[in-house]
Amino acid sequence: GENVEQHPSTLSVQEGDSAVIKCTYSDSASNYFPWYKQELGKGPQLIIDIRSNVGEKKDQRIAVTLNKTAKHFSLHITETQPEDSAVYFCAASDDGNQFYFGTGTSLTVIP
Amino acid sequence: EAEVAQSPRYKITEKSQAVAFWCDPISGHATLYWYRQILGQGPELLVQFQDESVVDDSQLPKDRFSAERLKGVDSTLKIQPAELGDSAMYLCASSPGAGRGGYTFGSGTRLTVV
Repeated sequence: GENVEQHPSTLSVQEGDSAVIKCTYSDSASNYFPWYKQELGKGPQLIIDIRSNVGEKKDQRIAVTLNKTAKHFSLHITETQPEDSAVYFCAASDDGNQFYFGTGTSLTVIP
Repeated sequence: EAEVAQSPRYKITEKSQAVAFWCDPISGHATLYWYRQILGQGPELLVQFQDESVVDDSQLPKDRFSAERLKGVDSTLKIQPAELGDSAMYLCASSPGAGRGGYTFGSGTRLTVV
């Protein structure tokens, strides 16, 4: 089955700086890669996703890049704000049927 | 904005007791998932439904866990008897179907077994 690894497990940045979270996957059949933000006591919320036919996708301060050859994808958050503090999960899926999640990154944005 | 509804939000139960969680997916979503999330870890799939049929329950501890989605809409996850190691967040998610975008998660049920 698919194995998704996520790094780092914790990340602290100063407000206004950028944050980068990286994931690798093992199954070349995976073709859909969503990112979720989970705040304390809440369920994960989809923040951005990318399909394997695209190398990069941006949505305001958030971007995701995908390298299919190397089997890794990354989340980039620019101009971080305190409200970006949360746990972020990457996931990999084979056509959106079953999802395999990374172990999460706890992001702290220091005001 | 459509949401996945889960109840209760919190549940404390004694070990060996039975406990049940309920999920109402987004209207029209054919696929429903139950996940267990242990603190500090990512969600792990317990069971996946397509309409009323179980698609994958390979990770469901069937000696104590059961799940049903009788009419292909809302779903119930049951644990009987509960064990201390079952303490976790139980998340429900739904999606329109394969190849049609990501999940929408509910807010989860935080279970504490004492």
